[in-house]
Amino acid sequence: AQSVTQLDSQVPVFEEAPVELRCNYSSSVSVYLFWYVQYPNQGLQLLLKYLSGSTLVKGINGFEAEFNKSQTSFHLRKPSVHISDTAEYFCAVSDQAGSTLGRLYFGRGTQLTVWP
Amino acid sequence: DAGVIQSPRHEVTEMGQEVTLRCKPISGHDYLFWYRQTMMRGLELLIYFNNNVPIDDSGMPEDRFSAKMPNASFSTLKIQPSEPRDSAVYFCASSRTGRTEKLFFGSGTQLSVL
Repeated sequence: AQSVTQLDSQVPVFEEAPVELRCNYSSSVSVYLFWYVQYPNQGLQLLLKYLSGSTLVKGINGFEAEFNKSQTSFHLRKPSVHISDTAEYFCAVSDQAGSTLGRLYFGRGTQLTVWP
Repeated sequence: DAGVIQSPRHEVTEMGQEVTLRCKPISGHDYLFWYRQTMMRGLELLIYFNNNVPIDDSGMPEDRFSAKMPNASFSTLKIQPSEPRDSAVYFCASSRTGRTEKLFFGSGTQLSVL
């Protein structure tokens, strides 16, 4: 089974500052990587995903993430945050092959709070 | 496209009562997932279906929980009898292929068992 560790449960930041949300995973097989965002009282929405190719992935709302295979990390970044980015962010992985087709393993989430 | 539709949005019940949560996936999606979200355990996959067939139910907590998918457009998650520790937000999600395609989540059912 996979495991996903989001190192920070809460990240407070001021508006227009840069932010990085950290994610590390452990897996014995190759994986696909995802970041989801959850706004209050809503379900999760996909921000971006890494399947293959370029290790720098760009997503919606100005977010990007970089896959680092040697460090088994997939950190999420944004150069300048807005108050509307306040939400909970989840890192997730799924196996590229094997019997666990379709199964996503989620981290515990990071609450990003943007202050004016 | 209306997205994944869950009902009810909120459910308050008393311990020992039966609770049924409902989900309508997006048309054409072959995979349906039930997740539970709590402060203590985060997001947990309970069960998922492929083409209406349960594939992995290893996340179902115990026999009190059961899930069905009688057709491609409807699924239920039932808890009988319910207990206070079942209080959580239950999410349904669907996807087209289940591996690389993104999951579309419903808005969740907030369950409170008193």
